[in-house]
Amino acid sequence: EIVLTQSPGTLSLSPGERATLSCRASQYFSSSYLAWYQQKPGQAPRLLIYAASIRATGIPDRFSGSGSGTDFTLTISRLEPEDFAVYFCQRYYDSVYAFGQGTKVEIK
Amino acid sequence: QLQLQESGPGLVKPSETLSLTCSASGGSIATTTHYWGWIRQPPGKGLEWIGAIASSGGTYYSPSVKTRVTISVDTSKNQFSLLLRSVTDADTAVYYCARHVYGLPRIDFWGQGTLVTVSS
Repeated sequence: EIVLTQSPGTLSLSPGERATLSCRASQYFSSSYLAWYQQKPGQAPRLLIYAASIRATGIPDRFSGSGSGTDFTLTISRLEPEDFAVYFCQRYYDSVYAFGQGTKVEIK
Repeated sequence: QLQLQESGPGLVKPSETLSLTCSASGGSIATTTHYWGWIRQPPGKGLEWIGAIASSGGTYYSPSVKTRVTISVDTSKNQFSLLLRSVTDADTAVYYCARHVYGLPRIDFWGQGTLVTVSS
């Protein structure tokens, strides 16, 4: 089973700063099968990025994804007030989905 | 615009079966480009994928719940359903139904979620 580990657990930043979130897999899998989601309190998750680097429909270009193999990154170039939320990475492997444990981006 | 709405009891007794239905509107679930599934989130915790079903009936389940779960689809009603047997308090969670995409796999559309509490 491929386990995803996200770091850091919490990221404390100010609006306008750059956020870099990491998602590390316990073994290699195709970058085509890596996605990122944003979740705000009381809301369902929202798809941000799929295939490691493709922005979903309507997602601002301050969000970008990169990586391959076992190391993947979500970058928010300049944090807007609405970006403070929890972010999950997700992998698809052998017909099964699984999520990382999440990174909370909070206002410093 | 697609809408997904979960429905079912908000309270289930331990050892009984949790039953939820997801009703789709604004789009058909009888599609070959998407399939339909369930994800849950215990209070204050992360996301756990439960499983999914194609409109043809093919199913995919998480190994962690595979022995207790059944997902079914009724394309005539534009609905799909979740049965989770022998529940314990560890199954207390917000349950989301969601649309999955083939090809470059992702979950691109989510219902609002429904809280199910397991308690006697």
